[in-house]
Amino acid sequence: GIQVEQSPPDLILQEGANSTLRCNFSDSVNNLQWFHQNPWGQLINLFYIPSGTKQNGRLSATTVATERYSLLYISSSQTTDSGVYFCAVVLPNTGGFKTIFGAGTRLFVKA
Amino acid sequence: DTGVSQNPRHKITKRGQNVTFRCDPISEHNRLYWYRQTLGQGPEFLTYFQNEAQLEKSRLLSDRFSAERPKGSFSTLEIQRTEQGDSAMYLCASSSNTNTGELFFGEGSRLTVL
Repeated sequence: GIQVEQSPPDLILQEGANSTLRCNFSDSVNNLQWFHQNPWGQLINLFYIPSGTKQNGRLSATTVATERYSLLYISSSQTTDSGVYFCAVVLPNTGGFKTIFGAGTRLFVKA
Repeated sequence: DTGVSQNPRHKITKRGQNVTFRCDPISEHNRLYWYRQTLGQGPEFLTYFQNEAQLEKSRLLSDRFSAERPKGSFSTLEIQRTEQGDSAMYLCASSSNTNTGELFFGEGSRLTVL
């Protein structure tokens, strides 16, 4: 089956620093989402990004579907950015319902 | 609040007891999903409903697990004869009926089996 790999697995930043999180996937996908899991466990939608680049405040994401990767950029990090960031891909030929998650990048932002 | 709602948020039970979780999806969404997440892992797909029909079940869903969506609105996930290995976060998500499947998650139900 498809493999979704996220890197780095763990990241510690000083508040104010920038970072790039990467998601590689091994096969074609219909779509890709980035989520932030907060300390209480809820998955918060960040981006729904099959291709191209999107920006939302200090966060932006780029997906290059032909090269099977996506990047999540966090600029001027804040302590509230801490948590786990997941990449999730929608498999084709499944009617749009089969979503596979990577193992996540655990981010800790120090004050 | 029109987001996905799950309850209870936390459940502590003794091994061998039955537990049931409820999920209320976003009202206009006809697709509903259950995922399980253990410590340090990403969510793993359990099952999927389109309206009231359960169209896919993962092999992770043993015969002690049953999910229903009787009227195509809310869903329940029941675990019978719980085992310590069932301890996890159970996540519900919903999406609209498109081929691109953007998921919206609830806050999750955390199960601890003693």
